[in-house]
Amino acid sequence: EAQVTQNPRYLITVTGKKLTVTCSQNMNHEYMSWYRQDPGLGLRQIYYSMNVEVTDKGDVPEGYKVSRKEKRNFPLILESPSPNQTSLYFCASSFAGSGYGYTFGSGTRLTVV
Amino acid sequence: QKEVEQNSGPLSVPEGAIASLNCTYSDRGSQSFFWYRQYSGKSPELIMFIYSNGDKEDGRFTAQLNKASQYVSLLIRDSQPSDSATYLCAVNKGSASKIIFGSGTRLSIRP
Repeated sequence: EAQVTQNPRYLITVTGKKLTVTCSQNMNHEYMSWYRQDPGLGLRQIYYSMNVEVTDKGDVPEGYKVSRKEKRNFPLILESPSPNQTSLYFCASSFAGSGYGYTFGSGTRLTVV
Repeated sequence: QKEVEQNSGPLSVPEGAIASLNCTYSDRGSQSFFWYRQYSGKSPELIMFIYSNGDKEDGRFTAQLNKASQYVSLLIRDSQPSDSATYLCAVNKGSASKIIFGSGTRLSIRP
């Protein structure tokens, strides 16, 4: 089944404890992206990647890191999480070029206490 | 001004009627325009893509684009209770991989 897989689905962590949210897609998509979704603010792009080793900042990159060492994987790293990073996170992927909308993963609900 | 603006709703439409959802965007360079549907507690799902002025129809859905007015709309004909969801408008900004979303319009179809 073609899909974007994120893990974990739910995570509660403490301030300052480094964490990684994994994302993998099996559709051979070139583009991958991370979004966070907050009530009243909608979906905001954190980072996006156009291909292996090519990444760029979205609108809210502060406090996050990404890497794209393989085409299928695009992990999101929070080096020192803070409570304002409590959010619902979505990974997404698509083929390159315009006209191919993102396919989203199931989401990761992160709570930082 | 937000880059992609939508009325948050809720928009209440009787079953069988036409639901009309609207979106405006600020970047005249945007070339790709998307409509996503998001059910409560679920991830966004792509339902329509449009890139040229005019209408594009897919089943009960019609997307309309007017680049001069920087306006995108989604019409849902013969609305069903299963259409009740939040509808997200999205546009690219610069790169095809940089996609900006509106905050969404909550649609409720009443039986």
